[in-house]
Amino acid sequence: AQKVTQAQTEISVVEKEDVTLDCVYETRDTTYYLFWYKQPPSGELVFLIRRNSFDEQNEISGRYSWNFQKSTSSFNFTITASQVVDSAVYFCALRTVISSGSARQLTFGSGTQLTVLP
Amino acid sequence: KAGVTQTPRYLIKTRGQQVTLSCSPISGHRSVSWYQQTPGQGLQFLFEYFSETQRNKGNFPGRFSGRQFSNSRSEMNVSTLELGDSALYLCASSLAPQQYNEQFFGPGTRLTVL
Repeated sequence: AQKVTQAQTEISVVEKEDVTLDCVYETRDTTYYLFWYKQPPSGELVFLIRRNSFDEQNEISGRYSWNFQKSTSSFNFTITASQVVDSAVYFCALRTVISSGSARQLTFGSGTQLTVLP
Repeated sequence: KAGVTQTPRYLIKTRGQQVTLSCSPISGHRSVSWYQQTPGQGLQFLFEYFSETQRNKGNFPGRFSGRQFSNSRSEMNVSTLELGDSALYLCASSLAPQQYNEQFFGPGTRLTVL
């Protein structure tokens, strides 16, 4: 079975602070893809990043960076110099590939509510 | 390029009724997935369609069903509504169901069952 754990239910920071959102995943499949999505108050999930199991390079996109570590089954997300507009629920998700090449369903973590205070 | 559209955006029904929700994917996208989001259970996968065929199905009772049309538009139906079906129903589209394709989500349909 595949599982995604986001242990931090809620995080509050003051604007300009850095914040890291944790994501730990479980799967027995060797090929998989990890995703991060943002859900602002409007409700629509916005895709942020995709990473496959064979690429452990960290990625930086502006104020966002992601740290993927297979050894600890983690795919953490850091926002540098947070802004009020970053306030949202952030979801980590996992999709694995079974031996036949078919993809299992996308499994989401429970989400982390990030509040950035002015 | 227009995003994923879902209709209606809000719906109020009573127990025992049935409901049909509609989703139009991004132009060119042929895979559509449905999710239920509730405060208690989070985001749960309902089903995924590609080329009018159901490819994956989540762990929901048979009251939940869906279909996809030849133009890739999709509908999901919930029969004999229960109070616990109150949720935000999200539709997502992707180019194809391959595992590496990111899914793009619509704004959702907020269903309230009274």
